[in-house]
Amino acid sequence: DAGVTQSPTHLIKTRGQQVTLRCSPKSGHDTVSWYQQALGQGPQFIFQYYEEEERQRGNFPDRFSGHQFPNYSSELNVNALLLGDSALYLCASSFPSGTTGELFFGEGSRLTVL
Amino acid sequence: AQKITQTQPGMFVQEKEAVTLDCTYDTSDPSYGLFWYKQPSSGEMIFLIYQGSYDQQNATEGRYSLNFQKARKSANLVISASQLGDSAMYFCAMREGHSGSARQLTFGSGTQLTVLP
Repeated sequence: DAGVTQSPTHLIKTRGQQVTLRCSPKSGHDTVSWYQQALGQGPQFIFQYYEEEERQRGNFPDRFSGHQFPNYSSELNVNALLLGDSALYLCASSFPSGTTGELFFGEGSRLTVL
Repeated sequence: AQKITQTQPGMFVQEKEAVTLDCTYDTSDPSYGLFWYKQPSSGEMIFLIYQGSYDQQNATEGRYSLNFQKARKSANLVISASQLGDSAMYFCAMREGHSGSARQLTFGSGTQLTVLP
């Protein structure tokens, strides 16, 4: 049973560029959430997608956008990259009506902005 | 105000001993859930244990148990019989609202646990 998979695992960009990160949820899951984890900090919620729509959003600027496809996979796009966007980006999947709200995470995409 | 507070940036424990990782939380929602995740150096967040706000008993999962003190708003993780593989970052997290909806988790800043041989 495949867990949450993310790509790419590592990438380096320069300021002002745009980046797209990809996520495939755990088999059977239909909800995808994205988190940003800066070095030495806990993950921070970016947004959540369910039924191809953004359902919840954290305190992140519009430069951060996303998409969910009919097969439940998801993309995170970040435009006009800033140095402060350097972080580990974690994708998590779940059932919307799960008994606990437990999230299953991927190993993340580590973004470095130079 | 911080919703999840982990006051121990780093902890050391001898192999085979027990260790307690502290977590306090702040919410006005009567319905909430508390989670502990383990993050090894690979980056993946691994779910360890869950406690619902209405659960009468403390949660246990193998060597992990959650010491839930609702009045004190604390949800400490106890790891018994520590193993070298337990060395990792540990995060406490909270979901506010009913468990029937997939809501966001709010994470603490984490505790780096090192198990010594």
